[in-house]
Amino acid sequence: LAKTTQPISMDSYEGQEVNITCSHNNIATNDYITWYQQFPSQGPRFIIQGYKTKVTNEVASLFIPADRKSSTLSLPRVSLSDTAVYYCLVGGRNTDKLIFGTGTRLQVFP
Amino acid sequence: DSGVTQTPKHLITATGQRVTLRCSPRSGDLSVYWYQQSLDQGLQFLIHYYNGEERAKGNILERFSAQQFPDLHSELNLSSLELGDSALYFCASSVRTGRGTGELFFGEGSRLTVL
Repeated sequence: LAKTTQPISMDSYEGQEVNITCSHNNIATNDYITWYQQFPSQGPRFIIQGYKTKVTNEVASLFIPADRKSSTLSLPRVSLSDTAVYYCLVGGRNTDKLIFGTGTRLQVFP
Repeated sequence: DSGVTQTPKHLITATGQRVTLRCSPRSGDLSVYWYQQSLDQGLQFLIHYYNGEERAKGNILERFSAQQFPDLHSELNLSSLELGDSALYFCASSVRTGRGTGELFFGEGSRLTVL
């Protein structure tokens, strides 16, 4: 199972770009990297998933280097409503234990 | 709305009691995962069922058990409750097709308070 390591917390200001990096040194060939966002007392919500290089959707970008041992979630121009905990999750189609890391608590200030 | 339904939303009970938490996955999703989240803590993986079959267990206590029924809904049974069992219990479902993990859709959780 790929273990993930993320910073415990990050602070930012509205309008800034935020990059959260996750380390997953023992990622397997078939593993994908997925990021989730969680607000207090709510279930996590899918943000983005990727395998390699760069993936972009309407809310975020995910950068994955060639060795795939880390990944970076990029949130452009954050707002107060982006204050949440962000989790990266590593696993593949046949991963039965989907274990979340400790997550990164992002605090956005006005 | 994720399409995953969890009941009850809130539950208050006493130590030593037993409770059952219910999860209805999204239509068509065969995988159900259970997670425990204590106050200000991360998500602890408990157990995963796929199409009625137990696929993986996490650090689930022996006092806890789960099952997935033929209609794919799942129940998490917690017995001999202790104060430390107070937490949010989340259920998530997934289609588990494709090459990745598949997107996990989480319910709103069941908040258990043990007094």
